[in-house]
Amino acid sequence: EAGVAQSPRYKIIEKRQSVAFWCNPISGHATLYWYQQILGQGPKLLIQFQNNGVVDDSQLPKDRFSAERLKGVDSTLKIQPAKLEDSAVYLCASSLFRAVANTGELFFGEGSRLTVL
Amino acid sequence: KQEVTQIPAALSVPEGENLVLNCSFTDSAIYNLQWFRQDPGKGLTSLLLIQSSQREQTSGRLNASLDKSSGRSTLYIAASQPGDSATYLCAVRNAGKSTFGDGTTLTVKP
Repeated sequence: EAGVAQSPRYKIIEKRQSVAFWCNPISGHATLYWYQQILGQGPKLLIQFQNNGVVDDSQLPKDRFSAERLKGVDSTLKIQPAKLEDSAVYLCASSLFRAVANTGELFFGEGSRLTVL
Repeated sequence: KQEVTQIPAALSVPEGENLVLNCSFTDSAIYNLQWFRQDPGKGLTSLLLIQSSQREQTSGRLNASLDKSSGRSTLYIAASQPGDSATYLCAVRNAGKSTFGDGTTLTVKP
């Protein structure tokens, strides 16, 4: 079974430029998450999708970050304009939907490492 | 708001030693707890998932326990090997979201 796919693995941009990350979840996983992981810290949730609807985007800096999952499968996370503090690894995860508080096991991709200069 | 703490932040042991990693959380109304391994420059690999109704889960040399009432989970690694060197993170699931600790970086010396 293929895992969660992410691209690109690495991206270096200058501040104020834009960047986009792509994620393809495990087949059949209705729930998709984007996390931000700063060096030395645990992942922090940015946005959660259930199929193509947003469940939680309370921690997404909406003035610069946007995400979509148009067909309920793959997803794109965009940052525009980027700031120095956006340098981090952006992790995508997916899980099967479970009726009780959506408690499915999380599976992660390899991540996209962003460096903002 | 859920807070998850993993102490120590780093641990170094000689090969063959049995060890315990700790994860504590403030809100005991959890649905599950998941342990992950993260190698440098890589994503998170799921090791064990414990549902709230369970007390422990085992996979090979790994055993994870959960005590909701005290807000604690432990990950026991038996007969550690250099290949176990990595950062270990726990994630606690409440209604709607998972909260991660900052991890314990384990080094197993040959």
